[in-house]
Amino acid sequence: EDQVTQSPEALRLQEGESSSLNCSYTVSGLRGLFWYRQDPGKGPEFLFTLYSAGEEKEKERLKATLTKKESFLHITAPKPEDSATYLCAVRSGGGADGLTFGKGTHLIIQP
Amino acid sequence: KAGVTQTPRYLIKTRGQQVTLSCSPISGHRSVSWYQQTPGQGLQFLFEYFSETQRNKGNFPGRFSGRQFSNSRSEMNVSTLELGDSALYLCASSYGQSSTYGYTFGSGTRLTVV
Repeated sequence: EDQVTQSPEALRLQEGESSSLNCSYTVSGLRGLFWYRQDPGKGPEFLFTLYSAGEEKEKERLKATLTKKESFLHITAPKPEDSATYLCAVRSGGGADGLTFGKGTHLIIQP
Repeated sequence: KAGVTQTPRYLIKTRGQQVTLSCSPISGHRSVSWYQQTPGQGLQFLFEYFSETQRNKGNFPGRFSGRQFSNSRSEMNVSTLELGDSALYLCASSYGQSSTYGYTFGSGTRLTVV
């Protein structure tokens, strides 16, 4: 059974204070690791898809990396508008059972 | 380009009733997936449809069902509602079934069972 664990559950940072969010996973045959951002009252917003160990993707202040067991979402010099819940999900094998999500990291950036 | 549209946004139902939720995917997207989000369990996969056929199903009781129409629009139905069915129900659309294609989520339907 696929499992995704995100840490920390919550993180409070000062504006400009860089940090990383962790996503550990166990899956039989990774077919994609996804990062989403979710704001209160809204659906998840797609950020990145990573497929193989060593892959990295960047978007503005965010950078996602992938190893064989975990993924990191690095946030550089965050701004208050980066405050949100960040979700990690995996899809395995032939795509059965949809995406398996972690519980998310609730990130608060204080001005 | 219009996003994924879910209706209604909010719904209050009584225990024992049934409910139907609707999802219109992004134009050209043929795959629609449904997820349940609760504070305790997070996002959990319900089912996925592609070209009007259910391709995958999560670990939910048979009270949860769905269908997809020829225009890719999808509906999910929950019969004999229970208090524990209160949740945000999210629909996601994708161009194809492979994870090569990203999944775009709608804003969800907030269902409250009283």
